[in-house]
Amino acid sequence: GESVGLHLPTLSVQEGDNSIINCAYSNSASDYFIWYKQESGKGPQFIIDIRSNMDKRQGQRVTVLLNKTVKHLSLQIAATQPGDSAVYFCAETHGQNFVFGPGTRLSVLP
Amino acid sequence: NAGVTQTPKFRVLKTGQSMTLLCAQDMNHEYMYWYRQDPGMGLRLIHYSVGEGTTAKGEVPDGYNVSRLKKQNFLLGLESAAPSQTSVYFCASSPGQGIPQYFGPGTRLTVT
Repeated sequence: GESVGLHLPTLSVQEGDNSIINCAYSNSASDYFIWYKQESGKGPQFIIDIRSNMDKRQGQRVTVLLNKTVKHLSLQIAATQPGDSAVYFCAETHGQNFVFGPGTRLSVLP
Repeated sequence: NAGVTQTPKFRVLKTGQSMTLLCAQDMNHEYMYWYRQDPGMGLRLIHYSVGEGTTAKGEVPDGYNVSRLKKQNFLLGLESAAPSQTSVYFCASSPGQGIPQYFGPGTRLTVT
């Protein structure tokens, strides 16, 4: 079946450094991908998305890269700030419903 | 706009009790979803609805029922709670397919 996973369950970065969070997906038919941020005690919050006809998409301080050849998705956060501390997870879909990865906890060190 | 709201925020049930979780959205979204989130696992879809009066099963529907009598509300029911249903439940809505979902703040349910 289709699945979405993350390579690292936790990631610690120094404030001001760049963060890279990875995601692997197994369904080559997936054509839409989303990154969500979830702060403690809150619901997931949309960060950025990308469709399969793109390799890269940039937002404010965030960039998503899609490598369809190896079925890999990454989220890059520039100049990581304390407010970026959260769990980040990816989601993919090729139809109606999304499949969510388990998440990576990002900790920003002072 | 309040977005997606969920009530209650917390609930403790004894095994065998029943309860209903309420989700409301004020964005006029057609699609609504119920997920559960367990430690170390991704969000898993319980049931969803593509419009008023419609419901469909997701990945883990057993032990749950849903109703969408009004477009803005999506109810999740547990008829006979079991400890395995201890989880955090999230409701979400979206304007359509292939569009980011907006999530509520969650309901933490404990079944003893």
